[in-house]
Amino acid sequence: ETGVTQTPRHLVMGMTNKKSLKCEQHLGHNAMYWYKQSAKKPLELMFVYSLEERVENNSVPSRFSPECPNSSHLFLHLHTLQPEDSALYLCASSQDLGFSYNEQFFGPGTRLTVL
Amino acid sequence: AQSVSQHNHHVILSEAASLELGCNYSYGGTVNLFWYVQYPGQHLQLLLKYFSGDPLVKGIKGFEAEFIKSKFSFNLRKPSVQWSDTAEYFCAVNGTNTGNQFYFGTGTSLTVIP
Repeated sequence: ETGVTQTPRHLVMGMTNKKSLKCEQHLGHNAMYWYKQSAKKPLELMFVYSLEERVENNSVPSRFSPECPNSSHLFLHLHTLQPEDSALYLCASSQDLGFSYNEQFFGPGTRLTVL
Repeated sequence: AQSVSQHNHHVILSEAASLELGCNYSYGGTVNLFWYVQYPGQHLQLLLKYFSGDPLVKGIKGFEAEFIKSKFSFNLRKPSVQWSDTAEYFCAVNGTNTGNQFYFGTGTSLTVIP
């Protein structure tokens, strides 16, 4: 595997379910990100991790819980979601954080539908 | 509020037509600028980027973009589009005043008619 991978690619869940999204990067990067992509809206940054430590949490509801066990893996744990949480969830990585000649590499995303 | 604006939401062109997609940002300080492309069913890919130096940046597949600092703009251009350029295009900014964030525009959907 190369680049950034995400599983599952599609997920349908009820509002009372608990599920997790997984992201893995094979690029040796130090920073990882979760974004939410909704139709007609800019990508919304949800969480940022650097060297396994969370450095940004952009007022995301607590029903989304990130986990970064090591610099290659990032999870997004979901519980008691709402239908408006249905979206494409993108994982990205970059060599480092901030303004340091960075570019982000994206995974294919998980298409989440909350019933 | 800091933002990235893409003025064209949906563009439809015939093959061989020229393309220009607008991108404006509202940040002070030094910026890195990016254009990403998302082909149907595929993930976001970097098309080109500007960090410093020549404000006219060449990217993949014949795309280029020009950074005009005085206009806070980074417009994407291609002289002759192909059907395979049909995709969603996103402008993004990361700067000394944006912390750890990359700010993205809402995207422009390009449809190229054969």
